Amino acid sequence: DQQVKQNSPSLSVQEGRISILNCDYTNSMFDYFLWYKKYPAEGPTFLISISSIKDKNEDGRFTVFLNKSAKHLSLHIVPSQPGDSAVYFCAASAIQGGSEKLVFGKGTKLTVNP
Amino acid sequence: GAVVSQHPSRVICKSGTSVKIECRSLDFQATTMFWYRQFPKKSLMLMATSNEGSKATYEQGVEKDKFLINHASLTLSTLTVTSAHPEDSSFYICSASGGGETQYFGPGTRLLVL
Repeated sequence: DQQVKQNSPSLSVQEGRISILNCDYTNSMFDYFLWYKKYPAEGPTFLISISSIKDKNEDGRFTVFLNKSAKHLSLHIVPSQPGDSAVYFCAASAIQGGSEKLVFGKGTKLTVNP
Repeated sequence: GAVVSQHPSRVICKSGTSVKIECRSLDFQATTMFWYRQFPKKSLMLMATSNEGSKATYEQGVEKDKFLINHASLTLSTLTVTSAHPEDSSFYICSASGGGETQYFGPGTRLLVL
């Protein structure tokens, strides 16, 4: 059972336009959400996060929106740049049964065309 | 979908002891496995990349004699923290790849060294 789902394996946008990457989760115990960016042959790097008590967090060109009732979050990149081309992972964390869980989605490959 | 497990999910040990963490790909052959360390709410730090049957490639600053990685089969990689100290306390995450760009992450192991 996938608790964190990124239903779009890939996304292609034009430079300067907005990129919207989506992520859905099923476990209401998740209280913190993170987005990571990964280039080929490198490990994921942290991009932006949001606590479940907020519905929006903005950092420069990157904004993450959280809709708790829909168990949905999205990452907006505007304006998109060719250097944003990478695989983006959504992750959710919770403390369950005394153990920490960090669950990743499968990733969405973003291609920004010049 | 592809599943990666880690065992144990959390471990508490005394300073000076060694701890082994297992990472298993349950339904696919993982030609490459990655080990990460995460500090609370921060980036995943890639520690090492291991390919089945060969020595792991460690990232700069990671002590290979302290963090022993073995990738003995296509479904199992182990990380052994030797002579653990309190500063080694962290959340360790593995991921596995079958050769493509997709990485499947394990749920993580919380290590607490007293």
